[in-house]
Amino acid sequence: ETGVTQTPRHLVMGMTNKKSLKCEQHLGHNAMYWYKQSAKKPLELMFVYNFKEQTENNSVPSRFSPECPNSSHLFLHLHTLQPEDSALYLCASSQDPTGGVNTEAFFGQGTRLTVV
Amino acid sequence: AQKVTQAQTEISVVEKEDVTLDCVYETRDTTYYLFWYKQPPSGELVFLIRRNSFDEQNEISGRYSWNFQKSTSSFNFTITASQVVDSAVYFCALSGSTGGFKTIFGAGTRLFVKA
Repeated sequence: ETGVTQTPRHLVMGMTNKKSLKCEQHLGHNAMYWYKQSAKKPLELMFVYNFKEQTENNSVPSRFSPECPNSSHLFLHLHTLQPEDSALYLCASSQDPTGGVNTEAFFGQGTRLTVV
Repeated sequence: AQKVTQAQTEISVVEKEDVTLDCVYETRDTTYYLFWYKQPPSGELVFLIRRNSFDEQNEISGRYSWNFQKSTSSFNFTITASQVVDSAVYFCALSGSTGGFKTIFGAGTRLFVKA
């Protein structure tokens, strides 16, 4: 497998459910990201992990809980979400950008989440 | 503060027309990077180009070309002889040293190319 893979591609969950989104990258990158894409809104960066350490939490509600067990895998655990959390959740990876040499990010196809 | 503005929300053209997607950015950094991504209906963002702030040369890749002008803080993207497969949402993005090279995306421009 190559690139960035996200599962599941589609998810419908109730507000009391607990679910997890999974992201896997096989590009040898050290940084991984979660983005949220809602209708008619810009891409919102949610979390950044560099070398498995969380370096950015963009004021994301605690009902979203990320986990990065190693530099190839990233999870987003979801609990008691609201209907307004329905969106496309995109995972991305890149080389560690903090060294001052920024490289492009590679994105997965996203998980289309619907909260009912 | 860093900001990317894509003023065109949607553009509709007929196949074979040329189309330019505008991108204007704001940053106080002297070192920064600009990107364009394409998001087809399948969802993933596909990287198209990266340009650093010290390289103002325009670039051409097949039917795609980019015009980077620091004087106007613009990084416009032109598709020549557009095709139906070019229909997608296109995002311009900025990453600068002040923000720890966190990538900031514009709102995107949805391009419809009709046969």
